[in-house]
Amino acid sequence: KAGVTQTPRYLIKTRGQQVTLSCSPISGHRSVSWYQQTPGQGLQFLFEYFSETQRNKGNFPGRFSGRQFSNSRSEMNVSTLELGDSALYLCASSLNLRNTEAFFGQGTRLTVV
Amino acid sequence: DQQVKQNSPSLSVQEGRISILNCDYTNSMFDYFLWYKKYPAEGPTFLISISSIKDKNEDGRFTVFLNKSAKHLSLHIVPSQPGDSAVYFCAASDNNDMRFGAGTRLTVKP
Repeated sequence: KAGVTQTPRYLIKTRGQQVTLSCSPISGHRSVSWYQQTPGQGLQFLFEYFSETQRNKGNFPGRFSGRQFSNSRSEMNVSTLELGDSALYLCASSLNLRNTEAFFGQGTRLTVV
Repeated sequence: DQQVKQNSPSLSVQEGRISILNCDYTNSMFDYFLWYKKYPAEGPTFLISISSIKDKNEDGRFTVFLNKSAKHLSLHIVPSQPGDSAVYFCAASDNNDMRFGAGTRLTVKP
């Protein structure tokens, strides 16, 4: 059974640009959550999607958005990138909405210069 | 808002000894708690969990203790092995979402 796949693994963008990250969950999993990891801040919850609907959203500005497709694949978009957006972005998939025992992808390392 | 806190950013223990990682939470609605382990360049992997109806859950060398009155949970690793060296995240969940702590970097010295 394939794990959670995130693409790309690494990305370098300049300030002001926008970026789209992709996440393919484990087959059969319908819940996808996105997290931002920065040193000292742990995993900050961005949002969660279930059955193509955003069910929860963390405390991030509107520049951060996402969507989920009918095959449960999810994309996360960040517009007008800032230097502080440099982080590891992790996607987690789980069978149900509560994300118990979520399975994480390897993440996308975004560097904004 | 830091609803889940891991106050020790790092911990170093000798191989064979016990590692104790601590985690505190503020939201009394959390009823499911998890520990994840993360190696560099990999995503976090699920380690062990505990429901609020229990105060202890054991899986091999790993035991999680939950003190609901103190809103505190801990992960015990006995005996610690060099391969346990990683960043450990605790997480707390209610019906809405899951919150993670900032992580504790465990180093187990041979």
